[in-house]
Amino acid sequence: EAGVTQSPTHLIKTRGQQATLRCSPISGHTSVYWYQQALGLGLQFLLWYDEGEERNRGNFPPRFSGRQFPNYSSELNVNALELEDSALYLCASSRRGSANEKLFFGSGTQLSVL
Amino acid sequence: QQQVKQSPQSLIVQKGGISIINCAYENTAFDYFPWYQQFPGKGPALLIAIRPDVSEKKEGRFTISFNKSAKQFSLHIMDSQPGDSATYFCAARESGGGADGLTFGKGTHLIIQP
Repeated sequence: EAGVTQSPTHLIKTRGQQATLRCSPISGHTSVYWYQQALGLGLQFLLWYDEGEERNRGNFPPRFSGRQFPNYSSELNVNALELEDSALYLCASSRRGSANEKLFFGSGTQLSVL
Repeated sequence: QQQVKQSPQSLIVQKGGISIINCAYENTAFDYFPWYQQFPGKGPALLIAIRPDVSEKKEGRFTISFNKSAKQFSLHIMDSQPGDSATYFCAARESGGGADGLTFGKGTHLIIQP
């Protein structure tokens, strides 16, 4: 069974540009979560999608947005990139967004903003 | 405000020794405490988790100790091996919460020296 896949592995952008990151969940999983892992800051919750709907978002500005497609894959968009957006962006999936569902993480997209 | 405080930030242990990572929390509504293991270039993976109705949970060489009154929990890795070298994150979540409610510590970079 394939795990959570993310693309691209690395992404280099300049300030003010837009970045698009993609995630394919494990087959059968309907929930997708996005996290930002900045150096020394642990994992910060960004967005949660389930069944195509945004269910919750973390304490991030509106220029962080995304969507979930009918096949449950997901896209994270970051507009007007700032230097501090440089981080590892992790996608995770679960069968559904319930309290007891185990999270499975992808290997992440390393975003560098120059 | 950091809801889960993790220490130390980095840790070097000799092969065969015991690695101990500590976490403390303030929110008494937390009732699920997982630990994640992250190898370089990979996403975090659930290692072991505990609920506050038990004081200790052991899986192989990994043990979580939980002190509800002190609001602290710790990960012990017995007979530490070079393959255990990774970053470890503790996390906590409120009762009934989903994965979007996970609050992560900042991580501990563990190095096991051969």
